[in-house]
Amino acid sequence: GNSVTQMEGPVTLSEEAFLTINCTYTATGYPSLFWYVQYPGEGLQLLLKATKADDKGSNKGFEATYRKETTSFHLEKGSVQVSDSAVYFCALSDSNTGTASKLTFGTGTRLQVTL
Amino acid sequence: GAVVSQHPSRVICKSGTSVKIECRSLDFQATTMFWYRQFPKQSLMLMATSNEGSKATYEQGVEKDKFLINHASLTLSTLTVTSAHPEDSSFYICSATGGWNYGYTFGSGTRLTVV
Repeated sequence: GNSVTQMEGPVTLSEEAFLTINCTYTATGYPSLFWYVQYPGEGLQLLLKATKADDKGSNKGFEATYRKETTSFHLEKGSVQVSDSAVYFCALSDSNTGTASKLTFGTGTRLQVTL
Repeated sequence: GAVVSQHPSRVICKSGTSVKIECRSLDFQATTMFWYRQFPKQSLMLMATSNEGSKATYEQGVEKDKFLINHASLTLSTLTVTSAHPEDSSFYICSATGGWNYGYTFGSGTRLTVV
């Protein structure tokens, strides 16, 4: 079955530091890959996505590249801000099935950015 | 963009009573809705998938008689926790999609506390 493995947190960084959150996946076929962000007490918000190999998703300074050869989708940001403090989830879906399929989530990585 | 409204955001109920959580897609037709449960500092656990007009498909280990899901229209799905007990206390999140080529939009979540 599908699975997503995410680096464990929490990750604590100083403001303006470089961020990398690792994510690798196991899936049959050609999944779509996502990063979601969850702020305290809220639902999930889509941060970025990529639907095929070598695609780069980007949003709000975050980016991730769909690497089929390494089955990875690592999240990066060049300079984090305190407002980026949240939990980040990597996820995949079997988007090639022709029907809406469920998302498989990683365990989430808590990011804490300090001044 | 697509918006999913989830209500209530927070509910406290007595043990043995039932609680209904609603999710509405405000500006698109949600052909498929997903219901998740999230324990503190953990990832999202898919409970069930529902397609409009059909019976929900429950994940293994989820009691269908306890967690009743109704998806009677393309804009509304409900989750009813029947005869709630303290161990049902959790954060419940819905997600909706208009089809396999659409994104997934999440509700803001419902914090259920059973006392």
